[in-house]
Amino acid sequence: QVQLVESGGGVVQPGRSLRLSCAASGFTFSSYGMHWVRQAPGKGLEWVAVIWYDGSNKYYADSVKGRFSISRDNSKNTLYLQMNSLRAEDTAVYYCARDGVGVTGAFDIWGQGTMVTVSS
Amino acid sequence: QSALTQPASVSGSPGQSITISCTGTSSDVGAYNYVSWYQQHPGKAPKLMIYEVSNRPSGVSNRFSGSKSGNTASLTISGLQAEDEADYYCSSYTSSSTLYVFGTGTKVTVL
Repeated sequence: QVQLVESGGGVVQPGRSLRLSCAASGFTFSSYGMHWVRQAPGKGLEWVAVIWYDGSNKYYADSVKGRFSISRDNSKNTLYLQMNSLRAEDTAVYYCARDGVGVTGAFDIWGQGTMVTVSS
Repeated sequence: QSALTQPASVSGSPGQSITISCTGTSSDVGAYNYVSWYQQHPGKAPKLMIYEVSNRPSGVSNRFSGSKSGNTASLTISGLQAEDEADYYCSSYTSSSTLYVFGTGTKVTVL
């Protein structure tokens, strides 16, 4: 079945780095734009980053620009989020999501999420 | 880029209809027909309910419908059911440097 599975979350100290992965299955991964969306504890959803289906374009939320990097390996059906210089305010559940309609922001498939806690 | 504005909570009795508003600006909701709505139950991932203002993905009940007027989009749930109790978020494509923006979220309570 169509599925996204995130991994790589955990507890990390401020200023350190972490890399999240999102394994896709059940669909042609290389045909879809992919996003990362996060949700701080008890808060709303926040869009983080998008990467085009072929990796040719990448965009970021202002809150993570210059610190986070999105990438993908279509041969491995995997999406990544490299997070550097982490801050307490980056603490959240991170979801990967498929854009079902080009890159219009119709997030039609979501992973289960992976928790990232930034704390000393 | 500020979040889109939604009411914090909306409630209704079973069988009734409710409408959730999502107010943005001429740079997001008003500029593009790329408004989506998501349902999120506690501890679960969001689920796409409406995309491109008024389109329903396969498998989503036709009790859910979307519309837009100017800078405000709306989600209507008709024939309210207990399972509709959840948080709902709108989102929109935007011309700002942050390409996508979510709404503040609305908690729907079925009385």
